[in-house]
Amino acid sequence: DTEVTQTPKHLVMGMTNKKSLKCEQHMGHRAMYWYKQKAKKPPELMFVYSYEKLSINESVPSRFSPECPNSSLLNLHLHALQPEDSALYLCASSQVLPGAVEQYFGPGTRLTVT
Amino acid sequence: AQSVSQHNHHVILSEAASLELGCNYSYGGTVNLFWYVQYPGQHLQLLLKYFSGDPLVKGIKGFEAEFIKSKFSFNLRKPSVQWSDTAEYFCAVRAGTASKLTFGTGTRLQVTL
Repeated sequence: DTEVTQTPKHLVMGMTNKKSLKCEQHMGHRAMYWYKQKAKKPPELMFVYSYEKLSINESVPSRFSPECPNSSLLNLHLHALQPEDSALYLCASSQVLPGAVEQYFGPGTRLTVT
Repeated sequence: AQSVSQHNHHVILSEAASLELGCNYSYGGTVNLFWYVQYPGQHLQLLLKYFSGDPLVKGIKGFEAEFIKSKFSFNLRKPSVQWSDTAEYFCAVRAGTASKLTFGTGTRLQVTL
């Protein structure tokens, strides 16, 4: 199974709402990632988890709160978002470095903030 | 900080034409290099990767790429494109032992019948 799944596929939320994005993989990967992708732009790294611990935070605003409850799951909690946060949010997973590893991406959650 | 450049933003080709998409990166040390493809409405898929060894790597769907260390380049090629190759293509680089994957700005390939 080389699949990363993400739910929901689409999400519309108001600026005062609290919502969560979910990501799951069963490849035994111990590194998981959140990326943000705006239309016609490349994915931009937000967070990296390694062995369920946050290892990289790319200066992401605190209205985005990641969580890794176990080695298969990755959540992104959203609160008080802004319209400019509307984007495709991608989850990825990989084996842990060092070593030659590749990242496997999920289909993404398309988020619209109204 | 490393950066990745893709100079071709939008490429239009007829079916059966040959393809070459440029990718240059800025990092002087060991790199891992990737090409990902994003078909319309679908998720990012890995086309091919270079970690070490033979600088000419072959990927899925007839794609190949050549790593030229002296030119800091990793160009993607396909001898004969198909309409189904219409997609966005991203070059990505991971420098050294860093976890971070840096993507280029992408090249939109449109193949006409």
